[in-house]
Amino acid sequence: AQKITQTQPGMFVQEKEAVTLDCTYDTSDPSYGLFWYKQPSSGEMIFLIYQGSYDQQNATEGRYSLNFQKARKSANLVISASQLGDSAMYFCAMREGSYARQLTFGSGTQLTVLP
Amino acid sequence: EPEVTQTPSHQVTQMGQEVILRCVPISNHLYFYWYRQILGQKVEFLVSFYNNEISEKSEIFDDQFSVERPDGSNFTLKIRSTKLEDSAMYFCASSVAGGGETQYFGPGTRLLVL
Repeated sequence: AQKITQTQPGMFVQEKEAVTLDCTYDTSDPSYGLFWYKQPSSGEMIFLIYQGSYDQQNATEGRYSLNFQKARKSANLVISASQLGDSAMYFCAMREGSYARQLTFGSGTQLTVLP
Repeated sequence: EPEVTQTPSHQVTQMGQEVILRCVPISNHLYFYWYRQILGQKVEFLVSFYNNEISEKSEIFDDQFSVERPDGSNFTLKIRSTKLEDSAMYFCASSVAGGGETQYFGPGTRLLVL
């Protein structure tokens, strides 16, 4: 089974609107972390936001927020007030276990912001 | 703002040749990582490194691969005898600590094996 599933290969959003990128995960470890990274066409990986499994509140970083639904094992990224510069590939990733270090990535969602 | 740097940005090599990819992690970070991304595919973990030794590695990281921290700033990935399927973007990352700490990625080295 896939550990990280991103079911939206591509998404379109109008500039200034909000968009939700889906991510579901699969783990039996009670301690885990969920990350979102942005990869523009230039190729670099930019960290956006982190949610720990024991965090009580949903993470927020500026225009990015994480809709964390633990029982459903989902960690959707919400981008508010989309900008043209948000057009990129977005990856969800998970770190399992308290001491593990490797990140397991999903297949990504290509977001295109329309003017 | 401190960042991870990688050199070269692009490398073209012949099959069977050795390549060394270089990374300078963020200066106060203690954990270092290599990931790769074959064109159009997901990012895959290769190896993590702490205190001058490998702490985790994936099944991709076979005997053809090695990592080294030759001095206080550089972190290298060596591929001894490249294969066509090694063509990928290779990302170095670093974090202050292991576990839940955020890993910050470098810009990547695009390796093409001919």
